[in-house]
Amino acid sequence: QKEVEQNSGPLSVPEGAIASLNCTYSDRVSQSFFWYRQYSGKSPELIMSIYSNGDKEDGRFTAQLNKASQYVSLLIRDSQPSDSATYLCAVNTGGFKTIFGAGTRLFVKA
Amino acid sequence: EAQVTQNPRYLITVTGKKLTVTCSQNMNHEYMSWYRQDPGLGLRQIYYSMNVEVTDKGDVPEGYKVSRKEKRNFPLILESPSPNQTSLYFCASTAGPYNEQFFGPGTRLTVL
Repeated sequence: QKEVEQNSGPLSVPEGAIASLNCTYSDRVSQSFFWYRQYSGKSPELIMSIYSNGDKEDGRFTAQLNKASQYVSLLIRDSQPSDSATYLCAVNTGGFKTIFGAGTRLFVKA
Repeated sequence: EAQVTQNPRYLITVTGKKLTVTCSQNMNHEYMSWYRQDPGLGLRQIYYSMNVEVTDKGDVPEGYKVSRKEKRNFPLILESPSPNQTSLYFCASTAGPYNEQFFGPGTRLTVL
């Protein structure tokens, strides 16, 4: 059973701090990795995608991928209350199947 | 505006009464998927489609059917719904398996 694991949280950080979200996956042949943000009652929306080892930065967001350790992370710098949401890690395991983690709830305190 | 639409948004039904949830996208995407989201379990893929008349099972296909007769539409069919199919359902489309998925607004289904 291919799996994607995330800490369910909630992860609570003060406004302005760095939030660090982590994800591990079990299938070594996974090729593409995504972070989605989901506000309560809304549909997921893409924040970051990453395909190769290393860091990828986009504004306040940085995705990190380590295929050897089967680990993906998302860093949110200068966290804002509007970042409070559930963050879903998603892994494409080859072909057209995508497996999502259960999500980490983030709460940014003003 | 690029979007994925689903109907209905909310549905309460009874066990055994056939229902269809429609999904339509206007982005000319080849790939479409259906997911269900349950507390603590996250999003689980039910079925996906790579193109017209090409569909395959995801991780939780039991009790569901799909069809893809047109590129833009991908309906989800529950022929005999049961209470364990009570869930939040999302349709998604993407330009390719390594690309961003665009999600519809969700359909909250309750089966009594």
